[in-house]
Amino acid sequence: EAGVVQSPRYKIIEKKQPVAFWCNPISGHNTLYWYRQNLGQGPELLIRYENEEAVDDSQLPKDRFSAERLKGVDSTLKIQPAELGDSAVYLCASSFTASGNTIYFGEGSWLTVV
Amino acid sequence: GQQLNQSPQSMFIQEGEDVSMNCTSSSIFNTWLWYKQEPGEGPVLLIALYKAGELTSNGRLTAQFGITRKDSFLNISASIPSDVGIYFCAGLDNNAGNMLTFGGGTRLMVKP
Repeated sequence: EAGVVQSPRYKIIEKKQPVAFWCNPISGHNTLYWYRQNLGQGPELLIRYENEEAVDDSQLPKDRFSAERLKGVDSTLKIQPAELGDSAVYLCASSFTASGNTIYFGEGSWLTVV
Repeated sequence: GQQLNQSPQSMFIQEGEDVSMNCTSSSIFNTWLWYKQEPGEGPVLLIALYKAGELTSNGRLTAQFGITRKDSFLNISASIPSDVGIYFCAGLDNNAGNMLTFGGGTRLMVKP
């Protein structure tokens, strides 16, 4: 069974440019998370979806970040415009809520803003 | 908000030694998860704990869900070089919308 798939794995962009990340969760997982992980720290939640509904986006910087999960399956996270401080790993994770809340992560999208 | 204190921050041990790390929280969690992250990769789930007092093993790894529901520990027995990585604890609060909070990580280095 395929795990959580993310793309691109690595991205280098200049500041003020836009960037988008894509995530395909594990098949059948209704909950999808986007996390940001800064160097040397643990992941921090940006947004959580239950199916297509964003149920927790309190930590998403809404002035420049946006996310969508239109059909309740795959999701995109966008940053526009990117700032130097956005350099981080953007991790997608998914879970099947009824299965005991075990959450699985993708390999991450590693963003460097120069 | 919820905070997880994970310790130690780093460990440098000899191959074959046992390792212990723990997490404490200011609030109660319903689930504790332990992950390992290697350079350039996302966190990989090692062990999931769902009940207070639960003790679960996965090979050389053993983890326990504290009775108070505010702490958890992870032990690695007979460490090997491939155990190198960063280990994260994470607590899940069903009452806070299934919010998963991570500790700061324990960086493990194993000397052959």
